[in-house]
Amino acid sequence: EIVLTQSPATLSLSPGERATLSCRASQSVSSFLAWYQQKPGQAPRLLIYDASNRATGIPARFSGSGSGTDFTLTISSLEPEDFAVYYCQQRSNWPSLTFGGGTKVEIK
Amino acid sequence: QVQLVESGGGVVQPGGSLRLSCAASGFTFSSYGMHWVRQAPGKGLEWVAFIRYDGSDGSNKYYADSVKGRFTISRDKSKNTLYLQMNSLRAEDTAVYYCAKDFSGWSNWFDPWGQGTLVTVSS
Repeated sequence: EIVLTQSPATLSLSPGERATLSCRASQSVSSFLAWYQQKPGQAPRLLIYDASNRATGIPARFSGSGSGTDFTLTISSLEPEDFAVYYCQQRSNWPSLTFGGGTKVEIK
Repeated sequence: QVQLVESGGGVVQPGGSLRLSCAASGFTFSSYGMHWVRQAPGKGLEWVAFIRYDGSDGSNKYYADSVKGRFTISRDKSKNTLYLQMNSLRAEDTAVYYCAKDFSGWSNWFDPWGQGTLVTVSS
């Protein structure tokens, strides 16, 4: 099983600041990585797929990068609605699909 | 727009069974693979099962090791509904269960998700 490790566990930032979230895979997943956002009491929402492609309707302030084992989700300037938990997910090792433990972006 | 509505959750004793349903609308259900993903209270996400768009036999269904042999995914194209039959339930199966449409048929990305249904396994 491919283990995804997200860091930091919690990121405390102010609106307008830049957020940089990391996801590291225990072995290469090529570019087969996605990012999801989950707000309290809501289902997750797909933000980024194939490491760097924004899903439909996702604002341009969200961007993804990386390949192999190291990936980054960047939020260029935090809006109030961006404070949430973010998960990465890999699909390289089918039929095993795994998620990272999540990074909580909280208001400082 | 795409809508996924789960139902069937509840409280069940260890060893018991439950069947979850997911009513789909707003897209051509028969053209997309579908997933179940769960989230234990206060925890992260765990993929549970996938059924291909043409899933009607075992070769087109896939399961996480943690549920293999106990859970069965199925779909009814005439009703645009996805199911998850859960048998031999354990305390560790307690979670919110989400159904999710596959992003592009069989990409193994989840988009969108339903609102979830809570399953509690407890005596």
